[in-house]
Parts: sequence; structure tokens; C-alpha cells
Amino acid sequence: DIVMTQSPDSLAVSLGERATINCKSSQSVLSNSNNKNYLAWYQQKPGQPPKLLIHWASTRESGVPDRFSGSGSGTDFTLTITSLQAEDVAVYYCHQYYTTPRTFGQGTKVEIK
Amino acid sequence: EVQLEESGGGLVKPGGSLRLSCATSGLIFSNTWMSWVRQAPGKGLEWVATDGGTTEYAAPVKGRFTISRDDSKNTLYLQMNSLKTEDTAVYYCATNSIADYWGQGTLVTVSS
Repeated sequence: DIVMTQSPDSLAVSLGERATINCKSSQSVLSNSNNKNYLAWYQQKPGQPPKLLIHWASTRESGVPDRFSGSGSGTDFTLTITSLQAEDVAVYYCHQYYTTPRTFGQGTKVEIK
Repeated sequence: EVQLEESGGGLVKPGGSLRLSCATSGLIFSNTWMSWVRQAPGKGLEWVATDGGTTEYAAPVKGRFTISRDDSKNTLYLQMNSLKTEDTAVYYCATNSIADYWGQGTLVTVSS
């Protein structure tokens, strides 16, 4: 199984500052056939289902603010929130859909400092 | 607008069974991969099963859970047998391999 490890488990960032979340996979999720990374990021607020923010490691979903960006390839990925807003308080998960079993990171809780 | 609505959750004793449903609208259901993902109370997300033409299951549920679909009703199902206390979770249905749409979830509690 591909193990997804996020860091840190939680972070507190001041409003308007940058938040950076890392995700490392135990095996590469980069496909040689299409050169795509099978890596997604989700945001989950309390009492709500997860919301897809980014797929293919760096493709932002329609309607997601451009302060959210994804980067990385192979086994190391990053979700960056530039200029953190109050509504960004949530738990963020990375997810590999490269192979079965599909696996998620343990989550990173983002709070306001 | 894509909408997913889960139902069928509830309280069940260990060893019991439940069938969850996920009613969908706003998508071409017959062409859409569908998955179940669960979240134990206060915990992270765990993939359970996917129906993408072929069915795939997470190891903890394989042999006990069955994912199926009725394309005429645009509905996905999860038949859960031999339930264990560790199956207690909110169960979400989600679309496609990237899980781009999610329902609100249905709570399954397995307890004596």
C-alpha cells in the first residue's frame, strides 16, 4: 500500500500569511504513461464533507480561490495557501488515486494564530 | 448541478447488516466511477470501495462489504455485512477517481 504522510499535523498561521502543507508518498504516484501525478488535495471544514481543491497535483478546481496552489512530483508534494483567510480554517488531506488501495494522508489542521 | 445524497445509516449491533444508498443527480451516472469513503469519529478519511466497471475494496472490508449500482435509478449501494465496532463512521459516496463531488454522508454506528 502507498502510505501518505503529511507534515505538520497542525499549524497556526496569522491572517494574510502563508500556510504550507507537505505530503510525502511512500512510492511514486507519477504515471510514466501520461506524465501525471495522481495526487489530490481536499479541504474539510467541521460538519462538512471534504471538498476537492486540487487534482493532478497542481490543477485547481473551478471556483477554488487562486491563493490555493499545489506543487510537487513523484513522492513529494506541497499545498500552499498564500494570504490565509479566516474561511480557510479547516483540515486538509492529500490523497493518491494512482493505485488501489487509494490512500489519504492523516490530515493537517490549519488554524489562525 | 451534481448532487449526491446518502441514506441508510443507523445503529446496528456487531455482526449485523446495513445497506447504504447514494442517490445521484446532475451527472451521467452510468458513465461515472463511484466510491465510498468513510470517516470514523474524530479521525481521517479512509477509502472503502470503488465501482469503476470493476469493483475494488479496502482490505478491512473485503469479503464483508459489497458495492453495487442501479444505473436505472442513478443510485449507488453499499451492502455491509458482519459489521464490527471499528466500522463505525460517517460513510460518504463520491464521484470519479478524483472524488470531485461528495454527499453529506450517513452515520453508521456499530455498537451493542
